[in-house]
Amino acid sequence: AQTVTQSQPEMSVQEAETVTLSCTYDTSESDYYLFWYKQPPSRQMILVIRQEAYKQQNATENRFSVNFQKAAKSFSLKISDSQLGDAAMYFCAYRSAYVGGSEKLVFGKGTKLTVNP
Amino acid sequence: SQTIHQWPATLVQPVGSPLSLECTVEGTSNPNLYWYRQAAGRGLQLLFYSVGIGQISSEVPQNLSASRPQDRQFILSSKKLLLSDSGFYLCAWSKGAGANVLTFGAGSRLTVL
Repeated sequence: AQTVTQSQPEMSVQEAETVTLSCTYDTSESDYYLFWYKQPPSRQMILVIRQEAYKQQNATENRFSVNFQKAAKSFSLKISDSQLGDAAMYFCAYRSAYVGGSEKLVFGKGTKLTVNP
Repeated sequence: SQTIHQWPATLVQPVGSPLSLECTVEGTSNPNLYWYRQAAGRGLQLLFYSVGIGQISSEVPQNLSASRPQDRQFILSSKKLLLSDSGFYLCAWSKGAGANVLTFGAGSRLTVL
């Protein structure tokens, strides 16, 4: 079974600075998808960014980018120019690309990000 | 556009009482539907998912059950709640699997006393 590990329960960053959240995963599959979700205090889960494993190019969405290292099974999220509104729980998630496994999204335990003014 | 509704938002129930949480999706057909639970300080645990009416897959043996009586309706139930059932329950949907994004409802906070 696939597992997702987020080794940083909490992180903090100064407003306007850059922070990187770590995520590693364990799988024997070669084709899969990786996601970062954000959960602000409202508890609403919001997709931040998505990466297809077969793409070598790292995904980018405005101030959010990932460093995808397939061989190392690492998928970190970099937030540039941090804003107060970025304060939230961030979850890394894995989803198989294969039939029979692709319905499920497996989450890590999350990293709580605090943004200091 | 698609929307997902989940209710009730907050629920306080005594031990041994029944439970029914409901989730509906609008603006799409034949969605994949999911129930996740988020316990304090922990990640999201997949409880059930459904790829079609009457098709329910259970991920974790537990005191809960799920049903999908209609294409866009997903219900989480229990006949007798336990203290350990307390948590934040999230319903989600996706159009198919794989790369398709899961979109979550606003969640239901259940406290069992």
